[in-house]
Amino acid sequence: DAKTTQPPSMDCAEGRAANLPCNHSTISGNEYVYWYRQIHSQGPQYIIHGLKNNETNEMASLIITEDRKSSTLILPHATLRDTAVYYCIGETTTSGTYKYIFGTGTRLKVLA
Amino acid sequence: GAGVSQSPSNKVTEKGKDVELRCDPISGHTALYWYRQRLGQGLEFLIYFQGNSAPDKSGLPSDRFSAERTGESVSTLTIQRTQQEDSAVYLCASSPLAFQPQHFGDGTRLSIL
Repeated sequence: DAKTTQPPSMDCAEGRAANLPCNHSTISGNEYVYWYRQIHSQGPQYIIHGLKNNETNEMASLIITEDRKSSTLILPHATLRDTAVYYCIGETTTSGTYKYIFGTGTRLKVLA
Repeated sequence: GAGVSQSPSNKVTEKGKDVELRCDPISGHTALYWYRQRLGQGLEFLIYFQGNSAPDKSGLPSDRFSAERTGESVSTLTIQRTQQEDSAVYLCASSPLAFQPQHFGDGTRLSIL
């Protein structure tokens, strides 16, 4: 299984970049890394995903190391509304079926 | 609305009763997923459907849990003889194809007295 490890919490000043790390050393070569976030009392929201190359969209950037054992989610200009729990997820394929393994995530607090 | 809809949003029931949770995915999404989230914890994957079939049911916590999907649309998660440890938020998600980015509902908060 693609188990992921994240720091339990981080603070970031409003307007600054938030860099959220994730270790996924057991991920296989063809398994994607996904990032979601969950704001209190809501369902998780998809942010970004990647396989090998760095990715960018309107929400964030994803930097994946060359050995694919870790990645960093970057929120370039954090706002108070970015306060949430951020989950790094390794897609896992087992016996031809898929699973998502969510860890406990990183609780990001953006400070005014 | 265009999002994933779950009902009820809250359910309180007595221990030993059966409960049925409903998920209406986004129209046209072939893949549907159920998760459980206990208070203060991450999401626990339960089961996913590709169309009306569930390729892997091993994530279901016990034989008291079952799920079905019909018409490649609505899904129900049934918990029989509920126990207090079943108290959690049950989340449903859907995606156009399996394991593309998932769209989540806001969950059903289940409380077992």
